[in-house]
Amino acid sequence: DGGITQSPKYLFRKEGQNVTLSCEQNLNHDAMYWYRQDPGQGLRLIYYSQIVNDFQKGDIAEGYSVSREKKESFPLTVTSAQKNPTAFYLCASSPQGYAYGYTFGSGTRLTVV
Amino acid sequence: AQKITQTQPGMFVQEKEAVTLDCTYDTSDQSYGLFWYKQPSSGEMIFLIYQGSYDEQNATEGRYSLNFQKARKSANLVISASQLGDSAMYFCAMIRVTGNQFYFGTGTSLTVIP
Repeated sequence: DGGITQSPKYLFRKEGQNVTLSCEQNLNHDAMYWYRQDPGQGLRLIYYSQIVNDFQKGDIAEGYSVSREKKESFPLTVTSAQKNPTAFYLCASSPQGYAYGYTFGSGTRLTVV
Repeated sequence: AQKITQTQPGMFVQEKEAVTLDCTYDTSDQSYGLFWYKQPSSGEMIFLIYQGSYDEQNATEGRYSLNFQKARKSANLVISASQLGDSAMYFCAMIRVTGNQFYFGTGTSLTVIP
């Protein structure tokens, strides 16, 4: 079945370490996104990519980096520059120009200790 | 700037009763889409219902209906015949035609009481 796979589901890291969250999709979607969710808040956009080798910053990109070398993959790196990285991270994808087909992954809960 | 407002942090409803979750939005765009998502405690976002800004009829999907009042910029979700499995967070979201970025509200936590 087609879908988005995020791994791992839970991730623990020490403060000051970079960590990379995986997001893979087999839906043949052109666009991919990373959102951050904090308790009591909605999702906020970190980065998005509409085509391979191109991506744009969202509303809260500081302290994060991404790459889009393959259509299927959009990994997110949480760097040590991110002041408060503990959060729930959701990856999503959509066909270009067709928001109705937006699909979310099941998320990664990152805890920095 | 786009903004989605959900003013009900938490709601309770008796099983089998109907409940309305409020959502207002602010945009200067003429063309946009409105969505409702359900997020159970496991974290995944489950699509419930979609309303396009040019759709004249209110969207319905099974027990879910969207009460769309364009002039008031409101897109309330109505869940009929609530079930225990409806207990979850519910998010209202708007998407612009230009670019596929979603703008989310802060969510409403719904608890269905037996």
